[in-house]
This record gives sequence, C-alpha cells and structure tokens, in this order.
Amino acid sequence: QVQLVESGGGVVRPGGSLSLSCTASGFTFRAYAIHWVRQAPGKGLEWVSLISYDGFNKQFADSVKGRFSMSRDNSKDTVYLQLNSLTVEDTAVYYCARDSRASESNYFDSWGQGALVTVSS
Amino acid sequence: DIQMTQSPSSLSASVGDRVAITCRASQYISSFLNWYQKKPGTPPKLLIYGASTLFSGVPSRFSGSRSGTEFTLTINSLQPEDFATYYCQQSYTTLYSFGQGTKLDIK
Repeated sequence: QVQLVESGGGVVRPGGSLSLSCTASGFTFRAYAIHWVRQAPGKGLEWVSLISYDGFNKQFADSVKGRFSMSRDNSKDTVYLQLNSLTVEDTAVYYCARDSRASESNYFDSWGQGALVTVSS
Repeated sequence: DIQMTQSPSSLSASVGDRVAITCRASQYISSFLNWYQKKPGTPPKLLIYGASTLFSGVPSRFSGSRSGTEFTLTINSLQPEDFATYYCQQSYTTLYSFGQGTKLDIK
C-alpha cells in the first residue's frame, strides 16, 4: 500500500539546522510531486514547500523562503527538507504528502505520520 | 497569494445533526478546492477534492459544493467519529494554501 514515512525530527537550538527525510513505498515515486505541510502546536495546517516529480521545480512559503530547501533522490524514493536558520516559530509537526491528480484537480491523498521539530534554547 | 477563510472557527453539534462549514477564497480558484479532516496525533485525511468529488472510501454523508468563490462542506447525520477539525485547501496555484480550520466538537 502507499506509504510515506518521515524521519529526522528532533530538538534544535534557535539558529540551528535540521534535515528531514520522507521515504515512500507502494507507488511509483518518481511520477509524483511531494509537498511538506506543518502544524505548529495549537495551530492550523500550513503549506510549506513543494518539489516536482523530477526535482526541477521547487516552491516555498514566504515564511520559510531562503531558509528551507528541498531535494529528492528518485533512486531512493526519498525527498529531503533542509531546515536552516530555525526559529521558535518553526516548531511544528512536519508532514510530507503526495500530490495526486484526477479530473484536473490536485490534492494530497497520502500523508506521512509526521516528524516533530522543536526549536528551543 | 490566495487567502482561504473558513467559517465558523468552531462549531458544536450533536450526533445525528447536519452541519455546514464554509470556505471563501480571496480570488477565483475555479473548483480547485479540497477538504480534509484532521484529528489530534494523526495526519490529515482527504475527504473531498475538486470542490464536490468524494474521495475513495469517504462516507456519503460528506458532501461539497461551490458557489463562485464560496465553498461548503456539509456533513449529514453526524457520527461520533466525525468530531474533528476540518480544513479547506486551494489547489488553483501550486502554493496550496489552507484555511485556518473549523473545529467541530460535541455539544
């Protein structure tokens, strides 16, 4: 079955860096764009970033632009999110999600279980 | 950027009730609107895509509609497992913004 598994979360000090991974199974990974979405404690869902199926198109929310980067290795069925210059406002559960399409609509039909990133001194 | 505004922010209802949650887009998004259900400690679940298409396996008591830039998620005959937070999301642009969420709890 389709599965996404995040790893790499943890505690980091303000100004520090962290790398998250999202490893896929059960589908043709190289055919799908992957997104990251986060949820801060007590807050709603926030779209963070996107990487296209081939890795050439990447987009980021204004809140993380210039600090976060994405890459993917289709030979390993894995997407990476590099988080730099972290602030306490980046504390959140980070989910990766598969971008699927039907009837000209795009949507997130599969999600990982989430990775907790805590930024604290 | 496209802003998505949900109302109400919270809602209390009883099992068996019919409820409606509204999402308004700040600009034209055609029917590129999705609805998700979120429960604590679990990832979001897709309910509806394309404003009104029920995702596979989602009960038929969930439905979606569109009127211009206003979208509605309706849940008929609420079940205990439906008490959760609901989010709309636009997929008209690749910056797939979410609404702020509507928390549905038991009256």
